[in-house]
Order: sequence, then structure tokens, then C-alpha cells
Amino acid sequence: DADVTQTPRNRITKTGKRIMLECSQTKGHDRMYWYRQDPGLGLRLIYYSFDVKDINKGEISDGYSVSRQAQAKFSLSLESAIPNQTALYFCATSDPTRGGHTGELFFGEGSRLTVL
Amino acid sequence: AQRVTQPEKLLSVFKGAPVELKCNYSYSGSPELFWYVQYSRQRLQLLLRHISRESIKGFTADLNKGETSFHLKKPFAQEEDSAMYYCALRGGGGNKLTFGTGTQLKVEL
Repeated sequence: DADVTQTPRNRITKTGKRIMLECSQTKGHDRMYWYRQDPGLGLRLIYYSFDVKDINKGEISDGYSVSRQAQAKFSLSLESAIPNQTALYFCATSDPTRGGHTGELFFGEGSRLTVL
Repeated sequence: AQRVTQPEKLLSVFKGAPVELKCNYSYSGSPELFWYVQYSRQRLQLLLRHISRESIKGFTADLNKGETSFHLKKPFAQEEDSAMYYCALRGGGGNKLTFGTGTQLKVEL
């Protein structure tokens, strides 16, 4: 079943550590996104990628970096984690070339990160 | 800049009662509006989009450009409707969605 998979699902780390969250998809979609979800703040876009050679900052990219290793893989890195990066992180994909530009995002199950 | 406002963090209704989840937006162009839902222990998923003018699981939402609103409505709430609901706006290029802060709907028996 075509899917969006995130690893790890849960991670506890310490301030200053480097953390990578990985996302892989079998949907064949070109566009991939990283969002973070915080209580009371909803989902906010961190980075997005239209294809392997196209990476764009979202509204809250400071403190984060991404890598699009292949069409199917999009990783989010925290070079030096800090406590206010504690959140639930979601990867999502979309493909406007299929079935019209519907705007539908397909989400992973989320990665819960705690920075102590 | 585009902005989505969901004024209610929590909405509690009784089973069988009408439901209205409010969503207002700010966008200078012609927006596309969506409702996403996250049931307990499930992924965030699309519920409906204004372009389709469809009813999904009994929910409807009408885009009111004059009031810049896209409220989600259902005439009779069911227990299985309990979930977190996010209103989202797509404006400009890139299929980027701007989400509201979400409303937790709790349907009580």
C-alpha cells in the first residue's frame, strides 16, 4: 500500500545534539513537506521540496535543515537541538500532476521529538 | 500574507446536536480552502475542499468570500466525529498550505 513513512516515531534527546528525522514515501509524489505541530499553534511549514533539486524554506526554517536524497526520501535535521524544538513533526507529500491540482497532502504518522 | 483563524480550541456538543466549526481566513487573492481531520491514533487526512462542493461524512463547508469564512457544518453530530479539525488555505504557488490552529471536537453521549 502506497504510504508515507517517518522514522523514528519517537525520540528523546538532549540540548545540543544533532537529530535527523527521516521520511520516505512510496506514492511516487514529487512534492514533499515537513511541518511541525504544536498545541495551540497548529501545523507550521518548516521546509518543502518540489523535486530533488528544489528545496524551499517554509515559515519556520531557522534551526532546521533538510536533504532530499531521492524523489522518495526527504530528511529533516536539527543540527543542535534546543528545548523549544520539542514538537510533533509531520512529513507530507503531494502530486499536483495527478488528478489535477487538488491540494491534497498525504501525511505520515508523525515523529514526536522531545529535547531535554 | 495569508492567515487562517480557528477561534475555538475546543468545541463540545452532544450527540445529535448540530456542529459548526468556525474558520476565517485572510488572503488577498483567490483562495482555495480545505478541511483536514485527525482522528485519534490516525494520520491527518483531507476531509473536504471547497472546490468540490461535496459532503463528506455528513459535513459540508461553504466558502463565503464576503465574510472570508469557510465554516464546517454537520446537522447531527455523531460520536465518531470526535477529532481534531484543521482549516487550511492554499494561496499562491507551490501547493503550500497554511493551517489554522485547529479545533478539537468532542461529541458527548
